[in-house]
Amino acid sequence: GQQVMQIPQYQHVQEGEDFTTYCNSSTTLSNIQWYKQRPGGHPVFLIQLVKSGEVKKQKRLTFQFGEAKKNSSLHITATQTTDVGTYFCAVLQTGANNLFFGTGTRLTVIP
Amino acid sequence: DAGITQSPRYKITETGRQVTLMCHQTWSHSYMFWYRQDLGHGLRLIYYSAAADITDKGEVPDGYVVSRSKTENFPLTLESATRSQTSVYFCASSPGQGQPQHFGDGTRLSIL
Repeated sequence: GQQVMQIPQYQHVQEGEDFTTYCNSSTTLSNIQWYKQRPGGHPVFLIQLVKSGEVKKQKRLTFQFGEAKKNSSLHITATQTTDVGTYFCAVLQTGANNLFFGTGTRLTVIP
Repeated sequence: DAGITQSPRYKITETGRQVTLMCHQTWSHSYMFWYRQDLGHGLRLIYYSAAADITDKGEVPDGYVVSRSKTENFPLTLESATRSQTSVYFCASSPGQGQPQHFGDGTRLSIL
């Protein structure tokens, strides 16, 4: 069965500190996507990673896909209050038909 | 996203009642999805559709029915609502299999 673990479940940081969330799969992934959901909002697509070892950046956000295509990370440098929300990874496992969402990491930024 | 709309935004109903949640998208995306979101469980796929008249079960399909007679609409029906179906329901669409999904604003459903 599909097993995707996302850690940590919660993270509180002081504004300006860095933040990282990790997504780990027990099986090889075709691709991985990251979404952000603001409190009271809906998930919004951030990025998709496809290639082994791929690294992509969006301003202060850095996304990485593991060499074995079984894990990924999202790193935010110098968090701001606008970064508050829950970050989900969504994986497409090799041979699967649909994305499987992780349980998310809820980020709180303390001003 | 203005291209995918869900209605109603909020709904309160009683156990045993039938309730239908609507989802409409204007992008002509092939794929449409229904998720439920509960604390501690993230997003769980209920049903999905690859095209009009093609639907398939997701992770948690029991107690739900879907149809897709037109590409742009994908209603979700709870035939006899139960308290365990109290949740936030999200509809999403994507242009192809495994492609990024666009979500509606969600329907917060409470079953008393």
